[in-house]
Amino acid sequence: QKEVEQNSGPLSVPEGAIASLNCTYSDRGSQSFFWYRQYSGKSPELIMSIYSNGDKEDGRFTAQLNKASQYVSLLIRDSQPSDSATYLCAVNLDSSNTGKLIFGQGTTLQVKP
Amino acid sequence: DAGVTQSPTHLIKTRGQQVTLRCSPKSGHDTVSWYQQALGQGPQFIFQYYEEEERQRGNFPDRFSGHQFPNYSSELNVNALLLGDSALYLCASRMSGGYTGELFFGEGSRLTVL
Repeated sequence: QKEVEQNSGPLSVPEGAIASLNCTYSDRGSQSFFWYRQYSGKSPELIMSIYSNGDKEDGRFTAQLNKASQYVSLLIRDSQPSDSATYLCAVNLDSSNTGKLIFGQGTTLQVKP
Repeated sequence: DAGVTQSPTHLIKTRGQQVTLRCSPKSGHDTVSWYQQALGQGPQFIFQYYEEEERQRGNFPDRFSGHQFPNYSSELNVNALLLGDSALYLCASRMSGGYTGELFFGEGSRLTVL
């Protein structure tokens, strides 16, 4: 079993719709969770971080964490064509100051005008 | 404010050769991590440097080594290149007191091994 799993997609949504991206992780000791966006040919860019159960909203983005179910998701409201990218879920396995992230393989999102 | 810079951006090597990749962290950052990203995959952690020491290492062989300099810049060295080493190599930086997963990535060095 992979440590962090994502559906590779592509996930296709029409412009203005809500895009829902999901991620599961295997290590119950995971401490912190991140969503990175990666445009084709570019480097990953942090868009959301979440550290406790529940929802965290930032503009059109909402991250949701359920540690009991080992599940983290990202909702993108009012999706725009500029949101078309690969979204990487990343998990930090411990609280030590090592900076080691475990990434999923990413979900490709396509927002169609 | 300069972000994370990496060089070279692209390079081609043959099997058995050695390569050195370079990274300058974002201004104010003192911790550097290296990741390998194969095509269609998420980044994989290679190692992290802080205070010129390797602090943690991922599941990579000893052919992968690194260094951090007093100005916080870093190098990644790969010896005895294999075809499977072809990938995008990403450098990421952060402040040592910052959240461990909130990384700033450079644009990467794309290595092709023939």
